[in-house]
Amino acid sequence: DQQVKQNSPSLSVQEGRISILNCDYTNSMFDYFLWYKKYPAEGPTFLISISSIKDKNEDGRFTVFLNKSAKHLSLHIVPSQPGDSAVYFCAATSGTYKYIFGTGTRLKVLA
Amino acid sequence: ETGVTQSPTHLIKTRGQQVTLRCSSQSGHNTVSWYQQALGQGPQFIFQYYREEENGRGNFPPRFSGLQFPNYSSELNVNALELDDSALYLCASSVGQARVNTIYFGEGSWLTVV
Repeated sequence: DQQVKQNSPSLSVQEGRISILNCDYTNSMFDYFLWYKKYPAEGPTFLISISSIKDKNEDGRFTVFLNKSAKHLSLHIVPSQPGDSAVYFCAATSGTYKYIFGTGTRLKVLA
Repeated sequence: ETGVTQSPTHLIKTRGQQVTLRCSSQSGHNTVSWYQQALGQGPQFIFQYYREEENGRGNFPPRFSGLQFPNYSSELNVNALELDDSALYLCASSVGQARVNTIYFGEGSWLTVV
């Protein structure tokens, strides 16, 4: 049972445009969400998080939006840069000791 | 760079053997979690250690075991290796037992079982 789903395995975007990565979840108890970026041969790097008491969180070029009623979150990257090319994972927790990860979306930013 | 270091980075083992993977957590972090990432999948939670005690466990069999030491470093041990254990093993550290915490990953240890 995949409680966190990233339904787009890959995404290509032109440099300078907006990248939108989506994530859906099924467990209504999840109340804290994170996004990680992973380059080949490296561990996942933390990008940005959001608590369920908020619907938006920004950090530089990265913004995460949370729609609790739809059980959906998205990561916006503006403007996209070639160095953003990586696999992006969303993760969720209900305040327990573990995070549930999606299967990832591979973003390719074209120069 | 997160300050979480793992060793070895790559290793090859034969089915039925045992393996030990090691992790040093980020300075000031006293909680360590281990995740398994199979090819094409997201990381899956194995277990977490806090103050040298196992604090929670995912859906992994008992042949996956761990330790945390007084300096908060940790080991993951896998006995009776199976081909399906081939994966990237990730260690993540965090601070304390707050209700929610950001976890920071190391580079991972690539295990291939042949």
